[in-house]
Amino acid sequence: QKEVEQDPGPLSVPEGAIVSLNCTYSNSAFQYFMWYRQYSRKGPELLMYTYSSGNKEDGRFTAQVDKSSKYISLFIRDSQPSDSATYLCAMSVKGGSEKLVFGKGMKLTVNP
Amino acid sequence: NAGVMQNPRHLVRRRGQEARLRCSPMKGHSHVYWYRQLPEEGLKFMVYLQKENIIDESGMPKERFSAEFPKEGPSILRIQQVVRGDSAAYFCASSPQSSGGQQFFGPGTRLTVL
Repeated sequence: QKEVEQDPGPLSVPEGAIVSLNCTYSNSAFQYFMWYRQYSRKGPELLMYTYSSGNKEDGRFTAQVDKSSKYISLFIRDSQPSDSATYLCAMSVKGGSEKLVFGKGMKLTVNP
Repeated sequence: NAGVMQNPRHLVRRRGQEARLRCSPMKGHSHVYWYRQLPEEGLKFMVYLQKENIIDESGMPKERFSAEFPKEGPSILRIQQVVRGDSAAYFCASSPQSSGGQQFFGPGTRLTVL
């Protein structure tokens, strides 16, 4: 079983839709949870960061962490064509090297 | 405030040559991570360095790959005797001390081995 599982999609939605992206993980030691956005042939851009469990909201983006279920989510409200990108979940263990373990990434297309 | 810089952005090498990838972290960041992204795969951790020290190299292939982060100058990922399977995007990320896991990525170097 992989440490981090993410449905690679692709996912195509109309403009204005609510998008839900999810990852599951197996390592209960993960405490830092991140979502990165990666445009084609660019570097990943840190979008959302959450420590331990709970919700975090930033504009149209909401990140949720459910440690009891080992499940994290990213919601995008009122999606825009500019949101079209690959979304990567990432997580790390507190302490040590804090190296990131990534999901495979979900390719999202928002159609105008 | 410049972000993480990587060069070259694109690198073409023939099998058996050496590849040198450079990374300058964000100002004030003392931690550097290297990741590799193979086609159709996610990002995989390779190595974590602080100035003059390799802290975690658990993701580095045992042969042909090495990394350094000298006291002065950029971090360097070196691949000797490249093979076609080394073709990938190599990303560098940096973080400040006590970042709580947050890492900021550069634009990557795309290595093509002919």
